[in-house]
Amino acid sequence: RKEVEQDPGPFNVPEGATVAFNCTYSNSASQSFFWYRQDCRKEPKLLMSVYSSGNEDGRFTAQLNRASQYISLLIRDSKLSDSATYLCVVIHNTNAGKSTFGDGTTLTVKP
Amino acid sequence: DGGITQSPKYLFRKEGQNVTLSCEQNLNHDAMYWYRQDPGQGLRLIYYSQIVNDFQKGDIAEGYSVSREKKESFPLTVTSAQKNPTAFYLCASSGLDRTTSGNTIYFGEGSWLTVV
Repeated sequence: RKEVEQDPGPFNVPEGATVAFNCTYSNSASQSFFWYRQDCRKEPKLLMSVYSSGNEDGRFTAQLNRASQYISLLIRDSKLSDSATYLCVVIHNTNAGKSTFGDGTTLTVKP
Repeated sequence: DGGITQSPKYLFRKEGQNVTLSCEQNLNHDAMYWYRQDPGQGLRLIYYSQIVNDFQKGDIAEGYSVSREKKESFPLTVTSAQKNPTAFYLCASSGLDRTTSGNTIYFGEGSWLTVV
C-alpha cells in the first residue's frame, strides 16, 4: 500500500460544477499537509495548506481528518482554468522534512 | 526574486554518458530534493538533503548521485548506470514559510532529459 493515495481520475466536469478530491495517508505521525497544482509539462505549485480546522481560499476549500487519515480538496464553481493535476503532499514528523506526494488526480473542466 | 533555478531546461544525452543537472536556490532553505517524473506518473524521490554535506537516498536512487557542498546548491548526476533516464527532473527545496506556518516545498521549473 502506498503511503499517500489519491484517486487518479480523470475527473471530467462541466464548468460551474463542484468537485471534490480525497487523499488518504498511512503514517499517523504525519505533521503537515498541502495541495499542489501541476499543469501539463510544468512544475507543481503550491495551491494551499491544509489545517485541522479547515481552510478556504476563494472557491477552494481544504480539510484534514486526522482520525480517518485523509485530506480533501473541494473546488466550487469550476472554471476551465482549473483543469490540471492536483497533488496532495504529506510531510512526516518522524523523518523531518521528508515529504511524500500522491500520484495526483487529473481534473478536466469542459465548457 | 527568491526561487529555485534549474539548468539546463532541456538536455539530450547519449547512452553511456553521465550528465549533471544543476539546482540552485536563494531561499535560504536547509532541505533540498530531487524528484523524477515520468509521463502521466507521479513524483518519485531520488535523493534529498537536510543539511550541507549530508544527503539521503530516496526511493529510486540507483543510477544517480548528488552532492551538497553548499547550502544553495544540490546538483544531480545521472550516471550511465541509470538504464532508463529519459524523464522530467524536478528540484525542490523546503523551509519554514510564514504564510503557511510550516515547511513548504518549492519547485524549480524542471529539466527534461532525453536519451538519444
